[in-house]
Amino acid sequence: AQTVTQSQPEMSVQEAETVTLSCTYDTSESDYYLFWYKQPPSRQMILVIRQEAYKQQNATENRFSVNFQKAAKSFSLKISDSQLGDAAMYFCAYRSAPHYGGSQGNLIFGKGTKLSVKP
Amino acid sequence: GAGVSQSPSNKVTEKGKDVELRCDPISGHTALYWYRQSLGQGLEFLIYFQGNSAPDKSGLPSDRFSAERTGGSVSTLTIQRTQQEDSAVYLCASSLGGLAGGNTGELFFGEGSRLTVL
Repeated sequence: AQTVTQSQPEMSVQEAETVTLSCTYDTSESDYYLFWYKQPPSRQMILVIRQEAYKQQNATENRFSVNFQKAAKSFSLKISDSQLGDAAMYFCAYRSAPHYGGSQGNLIFGKGTKLSVKP
Repeated sequence: GAGVSQSPSNKVTEKGKDVELRCDPISGHTALYWYRQSLGQGLEFLIYFQGNSAPDKSGLPSDRFSAERTGGSVSTLTIQRTQQEDSAVYLCASSLGGLAGGNTGELFFGEGSRLTVL
């Protein structure tokens, strides 16, 4: 079974600075998706960024980028120029890629990292 | 709206009562998921529906929990004889399924139903 580990329960960053959130995972599959979701106090989960395992290039979405190390099974999130609105819980998640004849299965989450942004 | 809709937003009930939580997924999404999130915790998978296949119920914590999905769309999560430990936010999500064109693997979440059992 796949597992996702986030080793930092809480992180803090100064506004305008850069912060990196860690995530490692365990799987025997070769093709899969990885995600970072953000959950603000409103509690709705919002997709921040996604990575397909077969793509070597690291995904980037504006101030958010990932460092995907497939061999090391590591998927860290870097937030540049941190803003007050970035304060939230961040969840790393894994999902199998779709394939013929089988269920894709659910999204497997880490326990989350609570990010605080100091003005 | 175009997103996943959940109701009620908040529910307070007495221990021992039954509750029903509703989820209306994004139109066209064949996959639907229920997760539970206890205060300050991560997301615990409960159940997963994919098209007409038998649901994956492996995450349901006890036989007091059940869910159905009627007509491949709306889903209802039922908790019978509620206990205080059932207090949590129940999140529903939907996605395109399997090899559907445009399937990026992403789940789209509703805002959740907060259940408080007194």
